[in-house]
Amino acid sequence: QLQLQESGPGRVKPSETLSLTCSVSGGSITSADYYWGWIRQPPGKGLQWVATIYYTGATYDNPSLKSRVTISTDTSRNSFSLRLSSVTAADTAVYYCAAGRTYDWFDPWGQGTLVTVSS
Amino acid sequence: SYVLTQSPSVSVAPGQTATITCGGDNVGSKSVHWYQQKPGQAPMLVVYDDSDRPSGIPERFSGSNSGNTATLTITRVEAGDEADYYCQVWDNSGDHVVFGGGTKLTVL
Repeated sequence: QLQLQESGPGRVKPSETLSLTCSVSGGSITSADYYWGWIRQPPGKGLQWVATIYYTGATYDNPSLKSRVTISTDTSRNSFSLRLSSVTAADTAVYYCAAGRTYDWFDPWGQGTLVTVSS
Repeated sequence: SYVLTQSPSVSVAPGQTATITCGGDNVGSKSVHWYQQKPGQAPMLVVYDDSDRPSGIPERFSGSNSGNTATLTITRVEAGDEADYYCQVWDNSGDHVVFGGGTKLTVL
């Protein structure tokens, strides 16, 4: 059974780069069976898709984030990562990693990690 | 960019049927997926590809999609169904994922 776990700093300073890792167990990050994604949720608000990556290296990201996003995989650690540059308070959110059998939907999800942008 | 519109809230008595809608321009031509999110928890997929249920999701949860509206229907509502529900599609005009704003289901 596929399981995902997010990790990374809980606080990032404005203008710096947010970096998160999603560790995958129960499946391989190089599998053709899954797409890997990041979704975030500002406190008290709805879900916002951030980015998705496939084992081929193909990536998709939210245009509203204006090219601040980098998503990548690490086969040696069976994980994938998110980097979001030039963060502001608006990037404060719970960040979830998730997997999907297609690029279309996500199941399962990690438990989420809160990242606060504050000096 | 593509927009999905959900009513902010729906209330229903236990044992009744809850209907949660998701509006979008010709959304019937897309595959719609639904997530349930309980307070303090990660979202969970309850319906995918308009009307399919992942393993372990009760038959009480069903979906449909036609025209400009997709619908999640929960029959015989239980207190444990109280949660936020989000619809989601893949917008192939821009190759990205779109979520609706979410609907809070309150069980009276």
